Amino acid sequence: AQSVTQPDIHITVSEGASLELRCNYSYGATPYLFWYVQSPGQGLQLLLKYFSGDTLVQGIKGFEAEFKRSQSSFNLRKPSVHWSDAAEYFCAVLSGYALNFGKGTSLLVTP
Amino acid sequence: DVKVTQSSRYLVKRTGEKVFLECVQDMDHENMFWYRQDPGLGLRLIYFSYDVKMKEKGDIPEGYSVSREKKERFSLILESASTNQTSMYLCASSLSGLGETQYFGPGTRLLVL
Repeated sequence: AQSVTQPDIHITVSEGASLELRCNYSYGATPYLFWYVQSPGQGLQLLLKYFSGDTLVQGIKGFEAEFKRSQSSFNLRKPSVHWSDAAEYFCAVLSGYALNFGKGTSLLVTP
Repeated sequence: DVKVTQSSRYLVKRTGEKVFLECVQDMDHENMFWYRQDPGLGLRLIYFSYDVKMKEKGDIPEGYSVSREKKERFSLILESASTNQTSMYLCASSLSGLGETQYFGPGTRLLVL
């Protein structure tokens, strides 16, 4: 079955610094990939998704992700982090009807 | 704007009780899902439904059942709650096309004593 791995459980960045969250997928063909964000006490919100075409995908809140087939990766990036970006981030891959999620990366933003 | 609502944000139940978690979506979505979220484990799929009265088991269906009598409503049932079912439960819905976005409710945090 398709799966994703998020190697980093926790990441801490300073406000204004750039951010990259890693996601590696396991799937032979082109996967359908997603990034979701979960703010404290909230449900999940879709940031962006990739199916095909341009490998650099723009999302909401200034996030982008790049699909790299050669590295089996779909890393999430933001050039300048804001304190409100502190949250948990989940990478997911479509598997049949449903999504298989990574275990999440918790982002802490320091002043 | 898509809205997925869950009947309770917090729930406390006793071991052995029958527990109903309700989820309602207002966008006429065909697909509905129940996930369980635990620290360090991410989200795991319990059940999903692709049409009224249709259901499929996910990765961890043991101890759970579901009901979908109307398109907008998808219920998760814990037949006899156990302490290892203490968790956050998230409902989601989507259109039926491949890769359609799943929209999530705010979650129900269930504590089983």
